[in-house]
Amino acid sequence: QLQLQESGPGLVKPSETLSLTCTVSGGSIISSTSHYWGWIRQPPGKGLEWIGSIYYNGFTYYTPSLKGRVTISVDTSKNQFSLKLTSVTAADTAVYFCARLYDFWSGSGEVDPWGQGTLVTVSS
Amino acid sequence: QSVLTQPPSASGTPGQMVTISCSGSSSNIGSNPVNWYQQLPGTAPKLLIYSNDQRPSGVPDRFSGSKSGTSASLAVSGLQSDDEADYYCAAWDDSLNGVFGGGTKLTVL
Repeated sequence: QLQLQESGPGLVKPSETLSLTCTVSGGSIISSTSHYWGWIRQPPGKGLEWIGSIYYNGFTYYTPSLKGRVTISVDTSKNQFSLKLTSVTAADTAVYFCARLYDFWSGSGEVDPWGQGTLVTVSS
Repeated sequence: QSVLTQPPSASGTPGQMVTISCSGSSSNIGSNPVNWYQQLPGTAPKLLIYSNDQRPSGVPDRFSGSKSGTSASLAVSGLQSDDEADYYCAAWDDSLNGVFGGGTKLTVL
């Protein structure tokens, strides 16, 4: 059974860079040629927001509102993918989820499964 | 402001049927499939419906989805107390950007 687990600092100072890693177990990123791997966040008490996604070969998609600040990368040797968000502000405080995405080019792009999520607070 | 529009709340009594709507546009729901997620309190979202009306294995058939034009709906029949959760619709737009609805909090009275 595929499982995803986020890891990284729970507290980041304003203007600094938020860095998170998602470790995939129970399956291989490099062999999942019909899937993408993505990040989604949820500010406290609010709804879900797409951040971006990556294919096993490194091809990325980023949500327009975060483009320029976000970088998603993949390390197939460690079966991990990572998120970096620069110049963070309090508005970036959220629970960050990593997840597997089904093909959204020709399919419905559903997200399944999700990691349990990790709260990142931006504060000095 | 979410790209897809959902009512903020919905409610029903045990055994009833409740429907949650999701409204979009021609560039997202109008031309791409809709997925639905259930988020129980304090947990990660879980895939409930994919490709408009398909249930993943393990999801009870009390949950059903439909789509017409630029709108979609999630129906929950035989409402149970365990169904109290936030429900989100989602789709991809023609520029391959993912969009979510703002979420609907379902209360079982």
